[in-house]
Amino acid sequence: NAGVMQNPRHLVRRRGQEARLRCSPMKGHSHVYWYRQLPEEGLKFMVYLQKENIIDESGMPKERFSAEFPKEGPSILRIQQVVRGDSAAYFCASSPTLGGGEAFFGQGTRLTVV
Amino acid sequence: ELKVEQNPLFLSMQEGKNYTIYCNYSTTSDRLYWYRQDPGKSLESLFVLLSNGAVKQEGRLMASLDTKARLSTLHITAAVHDLSATYFCAVSGAGGTSYGKLTFGQGTILTVHP
Repeated sequence: NAGVMQNPRHLVRRRGQEARLRCSPMKGHSHVYWYRQLPEEGLKFMVYLQKENIIDESGMPKERFSAEFPKEGPSILRIQQVVRGDSAAYFCASSPTLGGGEAFFGQGTRLTVV
Repeated sequence: ELKVEQNPLFLSMQEGKNYTIYCNYSTTSDRLYWYRQDPGKSLESLFVLLSNGAVKQEGRLMASLDTKARLSTLHITAAVHDLSATYFCAVSGAGGTSYGKLTFGQGTILTVHP
């Protein structure tokens, strides 16, 4: 049973470009969470999704950031018109059911905006 | 708003010594997690604590939870260099859609010296 898979592991974008980060949850997991870790800081919750639904996006910046978890395929975190301040590690976690199990983290995508 | 505070934020230990990391949280929660993160890596789950008085041990690490005091401790016994890493505690919301949403402490950077 493969773990939570994120790709790419490292992503470099120029200011103004778009960044797409992918997360495939563990098999059997239907809940996905995205977190952002700025340098030297802890992880901050961004968004919680189930298939085809955004459940809680209270941690998402109001502009340029969006997330989806389609019926088929991975969850996508999309950042439009990236700025230097978006440089961070973005982690995805998945869990089997709401409150029914521990969330497991992927390896993260390290985004660098140049 | 749930807040999680760890102390100390930096911990320099000698091999063989004991020490404790503290994690305080501000509101009622159903579960508390301890994670380890090595530089540039993802989070490794160490412990999940579900109830008041819970104590779990793995090797040189022992975690406990006091829900009345809203306090968890991570005790390190006879530290070895391999334990050098950043340790995070994280607390989930209490029920409903908050269950899987974790609020992290700032992290404690542990360095073990010979």
